Amino acid sequence: AIQMTQSPSSLSASVGDRVTITCRASQGIRNDLNWYQQKPGKAPKLLIYAASNLQSGVPSRFSGSGSGTDFTLTISSLQPEDFATYYCLQDNNYPRTFGGGTKVELK
Amino acid sequence: EVRLVESGGGLVKPGGSRRLTCAASGFTLSTYSINWVRQAPGKGLEWVSLISSTSRYIYYADSVKGRFTISRDNAKNSVYLEMNSLRAEDTAVYYCARDNPIAAPADYWGQGTLVTVSS
Repeated sequence: AIQMTQSPSSLSASVGDRVTITCRASQGIRNDLNWYQQKPGKAPKLLIYAASNLQSGVPSRFSGSGSGTDFTLTISSLQPEDFATYYCLQDNNYPRTFGGGTKVELK
Repeated sequence: EVRLVESGGGLVKPGGSRRLTCAASGFTLSTYSINWVRQAPGKGLEWVSLISSTSRYIYYADSVKGRFTISRDNAKNSVYLEMNSLRAEDTAVYYCARDNPIAAPADYWGQGTLVTVSS
């Protein structure tokens, strides 16, 4: 199975900060990488699909990039509602695999 | 409005069985693949299984292969996860999630149902 290594596992940031989260695949997955946001007690929400495509209704401060093995989720200006845990998911092959998650906390 | 509603969770003894149901509304279930994803308490997300729109393709995580069975009944707008030989480590919130056939996996999720495996 493809291993997805996400970093950092947690970070502290302030409102207005630029935040970057990375995900590395154990083998090349083209651009088959997706990002989700999860708040406590809630289901995950799709933010970015196919590495760089913004899901409908998601604010433009979220962006994704990368291809092959290295991917990045960027939040250009962190807002109060963005404090949450973020996960990457590869859908290049089965079994699909998630990264371990990155918890974004208030500094 | 797209809705996915999971049901069937509860307390199960180790070695026992449980059947989860994912009921879909607001879209034509028969044209979508459906995933099951779980999350153990305080842990990250784990992909469990997927069934394609016509049931032709079915996939499982290694951790559940041979114990869990995914199926669907498009006429009833439902997808099922039959879980057998349950272990303590299967304790989790189980979510169903729809794949968008254009490009996005798991674009809509249900609210989840908790399965607790304990004696």
